[in-house]
Amino acid sequence: SQQGEEDPQALSIQEGENATMNCSYKTSINNLQWYRQNSGRGLVHLILIRSNEREKHSGRLRVTLDTSKKSSSLLITASRAADTASYFCATDPGGGSEKLVFGKGTKLTVNP
Amino acid sequence: EAQVTQNPRYLITVTGKKLTVTCSQNMNHEYMSWYRQDPGLGLRQIYYSMNVEVTDKGDVPEGYKVSRKEKRNFPLILESPSPNQTSLYFCASSFWDRQETQYFGPGTRLLVL
Repeated sequence: SQQGEEDPQALSIQEGENATMNCSYKTSINNLQWYRQNSGRGLVHLILIRSNEREKHSGRLRVTLDTSKKSSSLLITASRAADTASYFCATDPGGGSEKLVFGKGTKLTVNP
Repeated sequence: EAQVTQNPRYLITVTGKKLTVTCSQNMNHEYMSWYRQDPGLGLRQIYYSMNVEVTDKGDVPEGYKVSRKEKRNFPLILESPSPNQTSLYFCASSFWDRQETQYFGPGTRLLVL
């Protein structure tokens, strides 16, 4: 069953603006990961945040995690047309589960 | 170059004709997995493997088989494909440590007529 649910489903912004995507999940997790997918291609790992971390940065990416609300956000600052892609969160539920559970994704369009 | 490869990349077949999609990784990863991606449904896990000769069902295993005879290969077998298996398939691999970073293959687009 799907655990991560991204919000919004689609987001369209202008180049230079910031893009924020949210992910909510239902059960406790070991970590939460964000992936990017260009149209029809494989997913590329962006960033991982562990359950005991609250915020993480990587270049123009900033990820936050609120375990009390079971939610995470991905912020892309100063967006570029090349950031146009779908973004997925994936949760590692832990507790003996060997699965990484993906959400349905947010489709981001950055207009030049 | 570290990578996950899948073959074929595109495949059109007919109902009932057995097919195999190969997946190979060169990173010595223990964990390998197959996903299918469908519009509006995101990625759903079909099967996964923790190591050689160890496989287990994911969320949507019906109609699929896998094998893991070697560490680097994890083929996906459709014994009798049906149109509802038309989808985009991804293989992924990672080290055993909680599958922290999965490396994905480029995808196989399958159309079953």
